[in-house]
Amino acid sequence: EMQLVESGGGLVQPGGSLRLSCAASGFTFSSLWMSWVRQAPGKGLEWVANIKQDGSEKYYVDSVKGRFTISRDNAKNSLYLQMNSLRDEDTAVYYCARKNSWDHWGQGTLVTVSS
Amino acid sequence: QSVLTQPPSVSAAPGQKVTISCSGSSSNIGNNYVCWYQQLPGTAPKLLIYDNNKRPSGIPDRFSGSKSGTSATLGITGLQTGDEADYYCGTWDSSLSAGVFGGGTKLTVL
Repeated sequence: EMQLVESGGGLVQPGGSLRLSCAASGFTFSSLWMSWVRQAPGKGLEWVANIKQDGSEKYYVDSVKGRFTISRDNAKNSLYLQMNSLRDEDTAVYYCARKNSWDHWGQGTLVTVSS
Repeated sequence: QSVLTQPPSVSAAPGQKVTISCSGSSSNIGNNYVCWYQQLPGTAPKLLIYDNNKRPSGIPDRFSGSKSGTSATLGITGLQTGDEADYYCGTWDSSLSAGVFGGGTKLTVL
């Protein structure tokens, strides 16, 4: 059974850092693009970043460029999102999603940025 | 302000049909495949339609998708109370080099 399980969310102060992880299973992780998508409380979906199979291409939404870094470890079937210089507006549930059609999603992990 | 434009809400009676529109531009919908997602309250989004009009296995044929130019449409027939959810369109924007979503449409089955 295909699964994506996010972890690493929590409460962090503005300006702080957090690293999210997404553990993948049930499919060939190394063969697919992967993405992070977030959803602020009561708001819609916002694509955050994606990464090519071998990590050679990465794209980001403008609001996180220079602050967030997406990466992957194909040997560990894991996707990561390093988030630095966090702002209040980064508060959201963060989902990892498979492929550029976002065909399967994890359950999400909540990141709260607040003092 | 979302790159893709959806109506904030739509409603219809059980058993009826509803359509949800998604409007974009040549850099996104016009030249890329569109997907549609259903998000039930408190859950992660679920893919309903990919490549404009294809349904993943397990998605009933009550759900359909179409695209024309820079707009896409999700159709749902035989509405059920369990269809009450938020629906999102999404695609890639080649000019932004970014994924983009519509603002979401809340479906109410009266």
